[in-house]
Amino acid sequence: DVKVTQSSRYLVKRTGEKVFLECVQDMDHENMFWYRQDPGLGLRLIYFSYDVKMKEKGDIPEGYSVSREKKERFSLILESASTNQTSMYLCASSPAGTRNNEQFFGPGTRLTVL
Amino acid sequence: GNSVTQMEGPVTLSEEAFLTINCTYTATGYPSLFWYVQYPGEGLQLLLKATKADDKGSNKGFEATYRKETTSFHLEKGSVQVSDSAVYFCALPPRNNAGNMLTFGGGTRLMVKP
Repeated sequence: DVKVTQSSRYLVKRTGEKVFLECVQDMDHENMFWYRQDPGLGLRLIYFSYDVKMKEKGDIPEGYSVSREKKERFSLILESASTNQTSMYLCASSPAGTRNNEQFFGPGTRLTVL
Repeated sequence: GNSVTQMEGPVTLSEEAFLTINCTYTATGYPSLFWYVQYPGEGLQLLLKATKADDKGSNKGFEATYRKETTSFHLEKGSVQVSDSAVYFCALPPRNNAGNMLTFGGGTRLMVKP
């Protein structure tokens, strides 16, 4: 069964802390994505990566960075967490070279910044 | 770029009622259209899709028809169950040649009561 896993389901951090959210997929997918989900706003794309060491900014990259050193792993980094980054974070992956655009999602990490 | 607008929720129905969740889109050309579902405590998963105008996507008793005349992709189910309680997202690529990127609507929460 295909799988996208995220390192934590729930995380509580303090303002100013550096936060790492990890995502691993076992489907050998080229593309990986990080979204944040907020009520009424749906999903908003933070960053995506279409290959190892490659990254592109999404719609709301400010305050975030990413790392993709291995194909299966895509990390989201909050350099200095702030309360407005309290949210649900979803990771997704998809294969390259298809027009059908199906993305496979992890269960999400609910981050609270105090 | 392309965008979708879906009806705000929550939508509350009794078991066996008929469901419609409205989704309209703005797009250049005729991109693929998607419905994703998020069950409580889980990530999103693809529910159904339609890749060209007049196509009907269907899965688990849900249907949606790609209507270019009305730029709509409404989600329907003839008889909902308590297990259909979830958040439903309409989605499409944000622009032509966007690879596997998607832009999502705000989500519609469905609550089905026994």
